[in-house]
Order: sequence, then structure tokens, then C-alpha cells
Amino acid sequence: GENVEQHPSTLSVQEGDSAVIKCTYSDSASNYFPWYKQELGKRPQLIIDIRSNVGEKKDQRIAVTLNKTAKHFSLHITETQPEDSAVYFCAATGYSSASKIIFGSGTRLSIRP
Amino acid sequence: DTAVSQTPKYLVTQMGNDKSIKCEQNLGHDTMYWYKQDSKKFLKIMFSYNNKELIINETVPNRFSPKSPDKAHLNLHINSLELGDSAVYFCASGTDSGNTIYFGEGSWLTVV
Repeated sequence: GENVEQHPSTLSVQEGDSAVIKCTYSDSASNYFPWYKQELGKRPQLIIDIRSNVGEKKDQRIAVTLNKTAKHFSLHITETQPEDSAVYFCAATGYSSASKIIFGSGTRLSIRP
Repeated sequence: DTAVSQTPKYLVTQMGNDKSIKCEQNLGHDTMYWYKQDSKKFLKIMFSYNNKELIINETVPNRFSPKSPDKAHLNLHINSLELGDSAVYFCASGTDSGNTIYFGEGSWLTVV
């Protein structure tokens, strides 16, 4: 069945350094890849997404890359700040309402001051 | 003006009881979901409804029964609660294209 693997499960970086989270997916029909951030005790919220016709997308300090051939996509956070500490989820899905949004297992990112 | 709202936020109940969690969205979306997040933070889809019709039903015990009276509401009823049902349950909604989904604030269920 469909599967999304996410690594690492925990990540600790020094404030100001970069953080990279990687995901792979199994369903070749997947064509939409959102990333969600979940702060402690709160709901997951969309922070950036990428569609299959694009290889890279950037929004300020956050960027996502997609390699459809290898079925890999990654989240890059530069100049990390304390407020970046959270659990990050990647996800993969198709375009129809019948498409399941499959989430990765999450990465707990901690920013060390 | 909350987009996806669910109640109650916290629920502590005894094993064997029956409980319901309600969800409403005012985004005009046609699709609504229930996700379960366990203590390890895994987000697993349970159900998906599109225009009041069930379209995704994962391997969930029959004790869990979703009900969608209209496309803005998706409630979750749980019978004969078990200890393993303790989790955070998130309601979510999205467009027909099945892309971005918006989560409610979550309902923390503790079964004792």
C-alpha cells in the first residue's frame, strides 16, 4: 500500500544553522506534497507545499525540493530560530478527494540556543 | 470565526463508555476527515467523507462510527471505549481536489 517514510525522527540543531528533513514515498501516482508543522499541544498547520510539476519551492527561510524520479522530497530550514522547534510532517497525496493524504511519521526538531 | 472547530477539546472517560466528538467547518469544503494521533505522534487517517458520503474507511474497529449530517459537519461516535483508544483525534477538511487540508484543534481523549 501507500507509504511515506520520513527521516530523521529527531533532529537537534544549533540556532542559526540549517535543518534538513527527508521523505520518500511509494505511490508513483502521488503528485502533491505538503509539509505540516505541529507545535506542542497544537494542530498541524501547513507551512509549504510542492506539486509534481515543480522541482523546488522557496518561502523565506523554508524550501522544499522534489525528485519525482527517485520519489524523494525534502524540507530545508535555514537560519533556524527557537520558534522553529516543533514536529514536522511530510505528506503525499493525489489530486482527487478519494486520494488518501499519507503522512510521514514526523520529525521532532529542537533548536539549541 | 474558527475554520475547523471540534468539541470537546478534552474528554476523560471510563472504559466501556460511549462518547462522541463533534466537528464543524465553515470553509465551504466538500471533504472532511478524521485522523488519530497516538502518543508517538503518528497521524493516521481513519475516515474521509465527501459531500456526506463515506469515501475512505481505513481499518478502524466497528466501534468507531462517523456520521455526516451535512457537508459542514462530521461527527465521530465511539462505542465501548478501550484504553487503546486514548489519543488525540483531529478533524480536518479540504477541497475536492484532495490537496491542502486544514485541521481542527484536536480532541484529547483519555480512557481510564
